[in-house]
Amino acid sequence: DQQVKQNSPSLSVQEGRISILNCDYTNSMFDYFLWYKKYPAEGPTFLISISSIKDKNEDGRFTVFLNKSAKHLSLHIVPSQPGDSAVYFCAASPLGNSGYALNFGKGTSLLVTP
Amino acid sequence: ETGVTQTPRHLVMGMTNKKSLKCEQHLGHNAMYWYKQSAKKPLELMFVYNFKEQTENNSVPSRFSPECPNSSHLFLHLHTLQPEDSALYLCASGAGRAGGGYGYTFGSGTRLTVV
Repeated sequence: DQQVKQNSPSLSVQEGRISILNCDYTNSMFDYFLWYKKYPAEGPTFLISISSIKDKNEDGRFTVFLNKSAKHLSLHIVPSQPGDSAVYFCAASPLGNSGYALNFGKGTSLLVTP
Repeated sequence: ETGVTQTPRHLVMGMTNKKSLKCEQHLGHNAMYWYKQSAKKPLELMFVYNFKEQTENNSVPSRFSPECPNSSHLFLHLHTLQPEDSALYLCASGAGRAGGGYGYTFGSGTRLTVV
C-alpha cells in the first residue's frame, strides 16, 4: 500500500512561470517531509525538507508547503528554469527509529520549456 | 562525485550468475540503505543498516543478500535473479533519522539487467 502519492506523473511549465508539484500521504505518523530531484542516469539529490511543526519552508526559488490536516504537501518553484527539468520525488519519514527509512512517491517529471 | 560511490554503473547478468553490487561512502554517516527503482514505481526500500546492523529488511526475496562489513561499505549480493529484478539499484547513506533532516545522499545507482 503506497503511503506517499504523487498523482501527477508529469508536468510541463513555461520558463519563468511557477511550477507546483503536489504530494499526498496517508500515514499520520509521518513527521518529516523531503523533496528530491533526479536527473537521468544520476541518483536523487536532496532539494528541500520540512518538519511537521512548520507549514512552510523556503530556500531560494523553492518553497515547500505542508497542510497536515489535509495530509498534503506541495513544492513551488518560482521562477521555473529549463535546468529544473527533472523528476521530483516526494518522501516522508515517520516518527521514532523507523524514521531511518524514507517512503517515496512515484515521482513527477517536470519539463520547463523555454 | 556525490560522496556515495556505487560500482558497477551498469551490470548485465544471466539468471544463473552470481554478482555483487558495491557501495561506499566517506561522509561519516551511520546509516546506509539499498533502494530499488523500477519503471513507473516509487523508490522501494530494500534494506537498512544502522551502525553496521541490519535494522530493516523490507520483505526482500532471499536472492538478494546484503552485507555491511563497516559503516562505510555496503554490498548487495545477487544470485539466481529473475528478469523482473531488472531495475536501478540505488545506495544511500544518511546521518540519523531522515538523514538528520537533510535526507540521504544517494549514489548514482547500478543499472541492472537480468537476461
